Amino acid sequence: DAGVIQSPRHEVTEMGQEVTLRCKPISGHDYLFWYRQTMMRGLELLIYFNNNVPIDDSGMPEDRFSAKMPNASFSTLKIQPSEPRDSAVYFCASRITGGAEGYTFGSGTRLTVV
Amino acid sequence: AQSVTQPDIHITVSEGASLELRCNYSYGATPYLFWYVQSPGQGLQLLLKYFSGDTLVQGIKGFEAEFKRSQSSFNLRKPSVHWSDAAEYFCAVARYGGSQGNLIFGKGTKLSVKP
Repeated sequence: DAGVIQSPRHEVTEMGQEVTLRCKPISGHDYLFWYRQTMMRGLELLIYFNNNVPIDDSGMPEDRFSAKMPNASFSTLKIQPSEPRDSAVYFCASRITGGAEGYTFGSGTRLTVV
Repeated sequence: AQSVTQPDIHITVSEGASLELRCNYSYGATPYLFWYVQSPGQGLQLLLKYFSGDTLVQGIKGFEAEFKRSQSSFNLRKPSVHWSDAAEYFCAVARYGGSQGNLIFGKGTKLSVKP
């Protein structure tokens, strides 16, 4: 398995633009998580899905952020409009119910909003 | 609420020296604890985990960690550090206590290795 795949690896955008981050979880994993990593706040859970259904989005910072999981193999995190304070590394992770290995993380998307 | 504290932001050790990274957690019941490592520009890789049983757990890359309930700690150790161990290390606890819970991460400890 290729692991959790995120795209793009780097994204530079101007303030006010829409940004879409993409994630392909490991096949067969039924949980998918979106985390944001910043120097100030560390790793924060934004939202997670179970069987494509959003379970907890209490970590989503505000209405500018939205996430979808239209099927078991694809999820998006969208920011509209983007702001400079959204600059961070966004990680996607997946795991399987009952799995002993915990989460598998993607390599992340480094977002810079200028 | 569950929380994880890693008191050391940055540690520097000499290659070949021993290493201990501290982690304290806050949780009322038996926690599910994890250590992850993040190399620059990479995602997080699981080093080891504790769910139950033997309180000394072995992980990959020669790391081990010991769960001490009385001290609410889960410190990571390695007897002899290699230059390739330079990375950032994150301790995490599973929210809601189960292995199925979401992970709450500490702020991380950055490890530098001197030649």
